[in-house]
Amino acid sequence: DIVMTQSPDSLAVSLGERATINCKSSQSVLYSSNNKNGLAWYQQKPGQPPKLLIYWASTRESGVPDRFSGSGSGTDFTLTISSLQAEDVAVYYCQQFYSSYTFGQGTKLEIK
Amino acid sequence: QVQLVQSGAEVKEPGASVKVSCKASGYTFTNYYIHWMRQAPGQGLDWMGRMNPSGTSTIYAQKFQGRLTVTREVSTSTDYMELSSLRYDDTAVYYCAREVNVGIGAVNYWGQGTRVTVSS
Repeated sequence: DIVMTQSPDSLAVSLGERATINCKSSQSVLYSSNNKNGLAWYQQKPGQPPKLLIYWASTRESGVPDRFSGSGSGTDFTLTISSLQAEDVAVYYCQQFYSSYTFGQGTKLEIK
Repeated sequence: QVQLVQSGAEVKEPGASVKVSCKASGYTFTNYYIHWMRQAPGQGLDWMGRMNPSGTSTIYAQKFQGRLTVTREVSTSTDYMELSSLRYDDTAVYYCAREVNVGIGAVNYWGQGTRVTVSS
């Protein structure tokens, strides 16, 4: 199974500042067939199901604010929130869908 | 609009089975994969299994092999997740979710979740 490891486990960022969350896979999730990475990012707020933010590592889901962006390829990926808003406080998960499906352990994002 | 509506909370004794339903509406049911995930209290997301669009094929996470059965009832646009031989650590919120599209393994529509409590 592909193991997904996120860092850090938690972080605190000031409003308006940049937040960066990393995700590393134990093996490459790059499809040779379409040169896309089988990697998604989700946001989960308390008491709610997760919400899809990004798939194919960098494709923003419809309706997701453009302050959210995804980057990376192969085994190393990053979710960036360019200017943190109060409503972005949540737990963020990466997920690989290259070989079966596995989630990272989650990163808790708080306001400093 | 796309909706996935799950059945209500369950309390089960250890060793019993639980069956959770996920009724879909607002799209062509047989065009999309449905996944099942769970989340134990205060923990992260755990992928469990997936049903293919036609309802003819499933894949399960290895940790659930032999205990998990996912089925599809096309006539009612409903998927079912049955977990047997329940243990205390199966206590969790169980979610169904629909893939963005065939070939994209990310999910963008989620059910509301079903809380399953295993208690004697």
